Amino acid sequence: NAGVTQTPKFQVLKTGQSMTLQCAQDMNHEYMSWYRQDPGMGLRLIHYSVGAGITDQGEVPNGYNVSRSTTEDFPLRLLSAAPSQTSVYFCASSRQRPGAGELFFGEGSRLTVL
Amino acid sequence: RKEVEQDPGPFNVPEGATVAFNCTYSNSASQSFFWYRQDCRKEPKLLMSVYSSGNEDGRFTAQLNRASQYISLLIRDSKLSDSATYLCVVNMRGNKLTFGTGTQLKVEL
Repeated sequence: NAGVTQTPKFQVLKTGQSMTLQCAQDMNHEYMSWYRQDPGMGLRLIHYSVGAGITDQGEVPNGYNVSRSTTEDFPLRLLSAAPSQTSVYFCASSRQRPGAGELFFGEGSRLTVL
Repeated sequence: RKEVEQDPGPFNVPEGATVAFNCTYSNSASQSFFWYRQDCRKEPKLLMSVYSSGNEDGRFTAQLNRASQYISLLIRDSKLSDSATYLCVVNMRGNKLTFGTGTQLKVEL
């Protein structure tokens, strides 16, 4: 089982560039979310989706866009990369709403913005 | 005050030792609680949910104290393979989870 697949695993960007982090899950989960993890801080929610066509903002949404056109895919777009967006990004999915069931994470995408 | 607080450690313990971690949370209306494990440079994975009555899974025991607003994780007979960062996770409101910064455990020979 593939579970949650994220690409790319590593990326270096220059300030101002844009890019998309891809996330796909094959578990038919309704709930998907994006987190970032920074040293000394807990994972912070960027955006989340409760189903195809429905997205909402998390704790730190500025500078990021998401869309959910299918149940399987939940890409995260960085519009104009900034050094403050250097981080490790995790995509996660769950069968039930977060808090009611297990979150399954992808392996992470390490982004460096110069 | 952070919404979810954990002692970052590291906790260095010998193999076979018993070790306990606490995690405090700020919102008394929090609904559900979890411990996740994260190995170095890997993704978090669910270790166990924390139930009001306490629960045990092999060498791991989780407890919830709503009155004092903390959860705990006890690991008995520590193994080298238990070395990891343990994340406290709390569902405080709606569809959003709040993660602690994690407690690092190093089990040594």
